Amino acid sequence: DTAVSQTPKYLVTQMGNDKSIKCEQNLGHDTMYWYKQDSKKFLKIMFSYNNKELIINETVPNRFSPKSPDKAHLNLHINSLELGDSAVYFCASSQGLAGAYNEQFFGPGTRLTVL
Amino acid sequence: AQSVTQPDIHITVSEGASLELRCNYSYGATPYLFWYVQSPGQGLQLLLKYFSGDTLVQGIKGFEAEFKRSQSSFNLRKPSVHWSDAAEYFCAVGESGRALTFGSGTRLQVQP
Repeated sequence: DTAVSQTPKYLVTQMGNDKSIKCEQNLGHDTMYWYKQDSKKFLKIMFSYNNKELIINETVPNRFSPKSPDKAHLNLHINSLELGDSAVYFCASSQGLAGAYNEQFFGPGTRLTVL
Repeated sequence: AQSVTQPDIHITVSEGASLELRCNYSYGATPYLFWYVQSPGQGLQLLLKYFSGDTLVQGIKGFEAEFKRSQSSFNLRKPSVHWSDAAEYFCAVGESGRALTFGSGTRLQVQP
């Protein structure tokens, strides 16, 4: 059984388009995250939700809007895509707020390519 | 603000040789430290973590790491590397209530 799943795995789109990436976890965790990994493999937190409420919002353009319909899902919608948005986006989850002793489980990633 | 430095971008070792990947952190209080591995095209998998207690922690796949407060380091070691260990390795530091801060990663290549 997949613990944290993301769809799609690959996404190729034109500049200016709007796209969404979906994430689901079946671990019963109450906290979910979106990370961005750039071409140099650098991983940076974007958002975190705890019990469907936004708790971490790093300096991310307004074009990125996370949505958490329930604790098991955290989707990422991106408006007006730009070339610089090309990256691998990872979803993760943990039980309780992470950064302490709660292990984060990562999804397989979504590779977004903006042409 | 917390930060993590992995000084080695790329390391190549021969299969069967020992391995040490370096990680230095900057954090004011007692850090929570992690090592994750990312195989090609895959997500990240936790290898081991340190919160308190014994400064030598054991992880999965035969890896261990040692926390040295005086050196602000949390280096990852393995006595004998296998070809399947070729991957990207990330050190991370955490604080309660925040997401993890990752280092830039070290790519491990294993020669036959």
